[in-house]
Parts: sequence; structure tokens; C-alpha cells
Amino acid sequence: QKEVEQDPGPLSVPEGAIVSLNCTYSNSAFQYFMWYRQYSRKGPELLMYTYSSGNKEDGRFTAQVDKSSKYISLFIRDSQPSDSATYLCAPAASGYSTLTFGKGTMLLVSP
Amino acid sequence: GAVVSQHPSWVICKSGTSVKIECRSLDFQATTMFWYRQFPKQSLMLMATSNEGSKATYEQGVEKDKFLINHASLTLSTLTVTSAHPEDSSFYICSALKTAEPYEQYFGPGTRLTVT
Repeated sequence: QKEVEQDPGPLSVPEGAIVSLNCTYSNSAFQYFMWYRQYSRKGPELLMYTYSSGNKEDGRFTAQVDKSSKYISLFIRDSQPSDSATYLCAPAASGYSTLTFGKGTMLLVSP
Repeated sequence: GAVVSQHPSWVICKSGTSVKIECRSLDFQATTMFWYRQFPKQSLMLMATSNEGSKATYEQGVEKDKFLINHASLTLSTLTVTSAHPEDSSFYICSALKTAEPYEQYFGPGTRLTVT
């Protein structure tokens, strides 16, 4: 089993839809959970992170972590065509440890 | 902000030559920088961790003599691909760990290397 698993997609939604992106992981030591957005041929951009279990909201984005089931989610409200990108989850054991990336889910938001 | 730059953004070189890629944190200090490689439709694979003033730590399977990393200052790390071969063609991305905020790793825009 890979440490971090993501459905590669693509996930196609119409503009304005609520999007749910998910990851599962296997390492119980992960405490920090990052979400990155990567546009084609660009470096990843940090969207948000959460520490341990719980929810965190930032504008149209909500990150959710359930450590008991090792399940990570990112919700995007009122999705826009500019949200079309690959979304990577990347948990880490500590703030100073290396990130373990999932393969990413490609999201396509059509106008 | 937290901006990381890479230079060059793309490079084409002949097989057997060496290529140097620079990674700079423009507006913050980074004691730790990371180098990743990404093949098409694949995830980022960590190659090595670079700490300022010390030797880099390489991930299993990454040849340290082929991928030379130097982290000479708190804002600059370099990756040199020596004796490049076509299989080294990939997208190389660096990231920098913001010293004051350890859980925020900022990525450069990447360097596309093509070895002919």
C-alpha cells in the first residue's frame, strides 16, 4: 500500500459546483496535512494546511482531517474555471519533516 | 510573501554534459531546501534534502555523485546534474522551508530539463 493515495481523476465539474477532493494515508505518524495546487508545468502552490484532526476554512476552501480513518479532504465551494489544476495532498510527520505527496487529482471546472 | 525562484526555467543539453539548476528564496531565509523530480502525470518524488552549510541527504535510489547539491547560503541551493542522459529528462522542482514557519514549504516554478 502506498503511503498516500489519491484518485488521479480527472474530476470534471461545472462552474459553481462544490468539489470534494480526497486522500487516504497509511502512516499513523503524520500530524500535518498540506494541500497544494499545481497548474500545468508549474511548481506546487501551498493552499492550506491543518494540524491533527479537524477542519480548517480559508475562503472557498475547507480542509478536513479524520485521523481515525486516515482520511483527508479538501472542499472547494463555488468552484471557478481558474480552480482547474491538479490538487496534491501532502502529509508530514512534523513541521520539519519531509512531505509525502499523493499523485494528485486533476480538477477541471467548466464555465 | 514567500517567493522561491528557479533558474533556468527550461534547459536542453546534450547527453554527457552537466547542467546546474539554481533555487533561490527571494524574501525569506531557508535553512532547509528540498529537491524533487516529477515525471509526466506522476507525483513529486523527493530526491534530496539540502541543509545550509552541510552535506545534502539523498533519498534511497538517488545517486549523490550524479546529482550534486550545494546549499551555500540561506537563500541559495544548486542542483547539478552531471553527465546527463536522456533518462534524466524531467521536471525538477525545489522547495524551501520557511525557517520561522516550519510547516510551510514553498515551491519554485520548476525547471524542465531535456537531455538529447
